[in-house]
Parts: sequence; C-alpha cells; structure tokens
Amino acid sequence: EDQVTQSPEALRLQEGESSSLNCSYTVSGLRGLFWYRQDPGKGPEFLFTLYSAGEEKEKERLKATLTKKESFLHITAPKPEDSATYLCAVQTNFGNEKLTFGTGTRLTIIP
Amino acid sequence: ETGVTQSPTHLIKTRGQQVTLRCSSQSGHNTVSWYQQALGQGPQFIFQYYREEENGRGNFPPRFSGLQFPNYSSELNVNALELDDSALYLCASSPDRGSQPQHFGDGTRLSIL
Repeated sequence: EDQVTQSPEALRLQEGESSSLNCSYTVSGLRGLFWYRQDPGKGPEFLFTLYSAGEEKEKERLKATLTKKESFLHITAPKPEDSATYLCAVQTNFGNEKLTFGTGTRLTIIP
Repeated sequence: ETGVTQSPTHLIKTRGQQVTLRCSSQSGHNTVSWYQQALGQGPQFIFQYYREEENGRGNFPPRFSGLQFPNYSSELNVNALELDDSALYLCASSPDRGSQPQHFGDGTRLSIL
C-alpha cells in the first residue's frame, strides 16, 4: 500500500528564518509527487509537480526537490503570508489520477 | 477561467440521513475526483469520474456513490450518514484522465449530529 509521511507535523518560524519540510514516500511506482498549500477553510492550492529524482522546481520563496525516497520543500526567508498547511501527495497509477496524501505540515511564520 | 465550485459550503445532518454534494468542474476539464478530509488529516480519495463513468475507487463503502453529468459536473451522494462522515468533502478536476495537476474546490463542510 502506498504511504506518504510528512514531518514535522507543525513548525513555527520567525519571519526570515529559512527551513525545510520533509515528505517521505513508499510506493510501488512513482508517477508524480505533488505539493499543495492549504489555508484554513479552503481547498488545497497546487504548488509543484516533480516527476523524477534530482528534479527541482522553484516559485518565489519556495523550492521543491525530489529523491528516490523523499521530497523536500525549502522555504527561504519566509513571510507571515506563507503560513499555511503544506500537503504532499503521490500519484502511482496510470490512467487513474488518485492522489495519496500525507497528513501535512502546519507552518506558522511569526512576524 | 472559472475554477472548481462546490455547493453547499456547509451542511448539518443527523445520523441515518442522506446527503448530496455538488461540484462544477473547471472549464474544459472532463475528469472529477472526490476526496474526504477529516480534521487534521490529509485528503483521502473516494472515487473518480471520467466522461460520466467511474474510473477508480478508494476504500469507501458502497453507501458513498457518485454521478457525473454530460457537462462534467458531478455529485457525491452519501446514504445512512454516520458520525464519522463528518469531514470536509473536496472535489478536484483535471483536463483529462491521465493529466495532472488536479485543481481543488474549497469543499463542503459536512457535520453529522
């Protein structure tokens, strides 16, 4: 069974203090790994897709990286508006877009 | 471009009742997936519809059922509601069966009393 584990569960950072979120996965065959951001009371908002080990994607203060066993979401000099829950998900089946999600990391940036 | 819209936003039901949740997919998207998100958890896949046919199902009992219409909008029906069905129900759409990423609506918050 596909499994996705995210750590830490919660993270509090001072504004400007860089850090990384971890997503480790155990799957039969990875087709894609996805990062989403979710604000309270809202649906997940797509951030990145990664397909193969060594791939990196960047968007503003966020950079996602992928290895054969895990993915990292690096946050550089975060601002309070980066506070949210960050979800990692994997897709393994061809022709079926089922996503298997982790439980998320709740990130709080303190001004 | 209109995003994924869901209705209603909130709903309160009692045990044993039935509920129907609705989703309008993003313009041009023919594939819709439904997820259940319990408080503090990640979304869990319920099922997916592609061109009005079910195309994959997660570990949910048969009392969870769905429909997709010719305009690619979709419904999620839940019969014999249980307390554990209290959750945020999310709909996601994508341009085609094999394409990503999925784009999510803001969900329906269902509370069972």
